[in-house]
Amino acid sequence: GDSVTQMEGPVTLSEEAFLTINCTYTATGYPSLFWYVQYPGEGLQLLLKATKADDKGSNKGFEATYRKETTSFHLEKGSVQVSDSAVYFCALRNKLTFGTGTQLKVEL
Amino acid sequence: ETGVTQTPRHLVMGMTNKKSLKCEQHLGHNAMYWYKQSAKKPLELMFVYNFKEQTENNSVPSRFSPECPNSSHLFLHLHTLQPEDSALYLCASAGAGGRDEQYFGPGTRLTVT
Repeated sequence: GDSVTQMEGPVTLSEEAFLTINCTYTATGYPSLFWYVQYPGEGLQLLLKATKADDKGSNKGFEATYRKETTSFHLEKGSVQVSDSAVYFCALRNKLTFGTGTQLKVEL
Repeated sequence: ETGVTQTPRHLVMGMTNKKSLKCEQHLGHNAMYWYKQSAKKPLELMFVYNFKEQTENNSVPSRFSPECPNSSHLFLHLHTLQPEDSALYLCASAGAGGRDEQYFGPGTRLTVT
């Protein structure tokens, strides 16, 4: 069946550090892929998406590229801020499958 | 502003109580969802409605009863819950196309005592 695997957290970084959160998936066909972010006390918000292979989704300095050959959709940001501290979820549209979430903590 | 609202935001109920969670979306979507989010567990999809019809029930216990009177409103009726049902309940909506992103509400934090 479809599944999403995310790196376990928490990930703790200093402000302005480079961020990578790994996400790999198994799926039938070529589903849309998403990254959602959840800030404390809130629901999930769409961060970015990609609908086909080699698409790059980007938003607020975050990027992820739909890699069919490696079945991956890794999230990256060049310089994180304290305000980026949240839980990040990778998801694929088939059967609405979510990863377990990766908590990011950014410190001054 | 996500366009999806949920009420109440917090709810404490005893195991013998009956309560309802409400979700409303203002995005013109035709698909609505209930999820359960528990600490240290993956997000669990509970129910899916498309055009007011329930299309998915992921083996959810009968003490949770969903209702979708129209494409904009979704309810989750609760009765005789257990303490392990304490969690954040999230509502989401999406276009019915099958490839679109979901829009989530802020959730209802439920505590069963």
